[in-house]
Amino acid sequence: AQRVTQPEKLLSVFKGAPVELKCNYSYSGSPELFWYVQYSRQRLQLLLRHISRESIKGFTADLNKGETSFHLKKPFAQEEDSAMYYCALGSNAGNMLTFGGGTRLMVKP
Amino acid sequence: GAVVSQHPSRVICKSGTSVKIECRSLDFQATTMFWYRQFPKQSLMLMATSNEGSKATYEQGVEKDKFLINHASLTLSTLTVTSAHPEDSSFYICSAFRPDQPQHFGDGTRLSIL
Repeated sequence: AQRVTQPEKLLSVFKGAPVELKCNYSYSGSPELFWYVQYSRQRLQLLLRHISRESIKGFTADLNKGETSFHLKKPFAQEEDSAMYYCALGSNAGNMLTFGGGTRLMVKP
Repeated sequence: GAVVSQHPSRVICKSGTSVKIECRSLDFQATTMFWYRQFPKQSLMLMATSNEGSKATYEQGVEKDKFLINHASLTLSTLTVTSAHPEDSSFYICSAFRPDQPQHFGDGTRLSIL
């Protein structure tokens, strides 16, 4: 069975501090990992996916198959980064998504 | 980016009422649409997968007679909550998918059953 775990429900940091949102997964096949973000009163949006290996809004995430992790990182948090972040595991050619429990990031001024 | 429209955004109705929620992909043809349910302060739980022109595939524990899904075209899927009861109150979110693209989500529908 596939599972995504985000151990932190809430992460609070000061502006300018580094941020790491943890995500661990379990999946027997070849995983496709995503990070989605949901800003207050807005829809869920794709932030980044591991196959793109790109940086969006200063965020990066590296797939570590040995540790089965896909942690989201940003070196300097901004107040506008405050949102709910969901890690998701795609299976069936990325068709089916299994979401983690989500982490609320609060960036304080 | 791709736009998925979900309507209505908020519904309040009496127990026993059936409620229909529409999900439209406005600028692309979605081979698959998904329906999720989200309880307060919890993550999204997949309810069912809907492919155009075929029956929906429901996740374990989701009553197909309670949550009727119709996917009549590549741009429209509907979820009907039949004879809704207070325990059906939740936030329902749809997403649209086509190969080689990530899922695009609607704004969600908050359903409140009195």
